Amino acid sequence: EPEVTQTPSHQVTQMGQEVILRCVPISNHLYFYWYRQILGQKVEFLVSFYNNEISEKSEIFDDQFSVERPDGSNFTLKIRSTKLEDSAMYFCASREDGPTYEQYFGPGTRLTVT
Amino acid sequence: QKEVEQDPGPLSVPEGAIVSLNCTYSNSAFQYFMWYRQYSRKGPELLMYTYSSGNKEDGRFTAQVDKSSKYISLFIRDSQPSDSATYLCAMRTGNTPLVFGKGTRLSVIA
Repeated sequence: EPEVTQTPSHQVTQMGQEVILRCVPISNHLYFYWYRQILGQKVEFLVSFYNNEISEKSEIFDDQFSVERPDGSNFTLKIRSTKLEDSAMYFCASREDGPTYEQYFGPGTRLTVT
Repeated sequence: QKEVEQDPGPLSVPEGAIVSLNCTYSNSAFQYFMWYRQYSRKGPELLMYTYSSGNKEDGRFTAQVDKSSKYISLFIRDSQPSDSATYLCAMRTGNTPLVFGKGTRLSVIA
């Protein structure tokens, strides 16, 4: 069964450093998402991406964040200058086109900022 | 008022029990309702997906939506220790992102 994959599974970085989180969505999916989950809190939407551009973003997704689809398979989230409060699980999700198709999540990347 | 409210539990039941998990929501524009299961430090796994009021059954799982009351439920029959996880309700309007509840932590004791 096709699945969303994410690398790395765990990333440790120092405050102020840049990190890139990588995702390979399911191959026939056209909508891509990043969500995050701070330990003990709810899953929160960051950004959605469709047709090579951001379709929606939350207030969390400020100028330090960016997304890119550098080729036909990868979808990346870059955090330019990490802060302690960026420590969280970051989940990538994807879905087919059309409102009745649902999102499938990857296993997540645990980001620890020290 | 929070958009999606879900009792975080924890909920502990004996093996074989029927489990009832619930969420309420305030946004009447929500049309699509999902239940995800999440094991510790893993990604949410889609369990059930409905977009109309009423019941939808899949094996031991039944999802129920009552749009008039803005209330959704997930029932698990014959619960197993492997069902121990956090259950997240999520919902959205058309092409909008998912809005999640906080999740209910369930333990099924053998």
